[in-house]
Amino acid sequence: SAVISQKPSRDICQRGTSLTIQCQVDSQVTMMFWYRQQPGQSLTLIATANQGSEATYESGFVIDKFPISRPNLTFSTLTVSNMSPEDSSIYLCSVEAPTGSEAFFGQGTRLTVV
Amino acid sequence: KQEVTQIPAALSVPEGENLVLNCSFTDSAIYNLQWFRQDPGKGLTSLLLIQSSQREQTSGRLNASLDKSSGRSTLYIAASQPGDSATYLCAVNTGANSKLTFGKGITLSVRP
Repeated sequence: SAVISQKPSRDICQRGTSLTIQCQVDSQVTMMFWYRQQPGQSLTLIATANQGSEATYESGFVIDKFPISRPNLTFSTLTVSNMSPEDSSIYLCSVEAPTGSEAFFGQGTRLTVV
Repeated sequence: KQEVTQIPAALSVPEGENLVLNCSFTDSAIYNLQWFRQDPGKGLTSLLLIQSSQREQTSGRLNASLDKSSGRSTLYIAASQPGDSATYLCAVNTGANSKLTFGKGITLSVRP
């Protein structure tokens, strides 16, 4: 299995500001994934982050709004930029187990934008 | 486009009852299917993973089955307990860059 530490666990932010979420994994992984879970909804994939290359964004998500860094095989950050109340969600990072099948998730970042 | 459906959205049962949670998906060309548990405001805990070649997986009081041809999976919880109260999410991996498609989840409440 993989243990994922995600920080911060929660934050309340003013609209127009940015928040960077960190995700640390206890083992080297090729791909890391960032998901968003809006209130009462299921998880939606924002982007896939590979080390050494640009992140791949899903339809409806853009790099200017959600810039991602992946400096090494155990760490990634997601920034939520120029926040509005509609960005209030739980943001989760995920990795595949080293065996390449089972997915594991961090504890999530609960973001409230006021 | 893969779509995953979980019905009903919520379920309330008395303690001790055996129960089945359903998950259906539209595209049977899947790599694997995974069941997760989510407590309010928290992240996801992996419960069971079923590969496309498997029919079922068991862990303690949990048993998950997969019928790929009909696009269905079930999560069976035996002798439910109040501590089982949570949202249960089903997610399908189509193998395309390991992306998961999630259902909306079933919120389970087990009454003492």
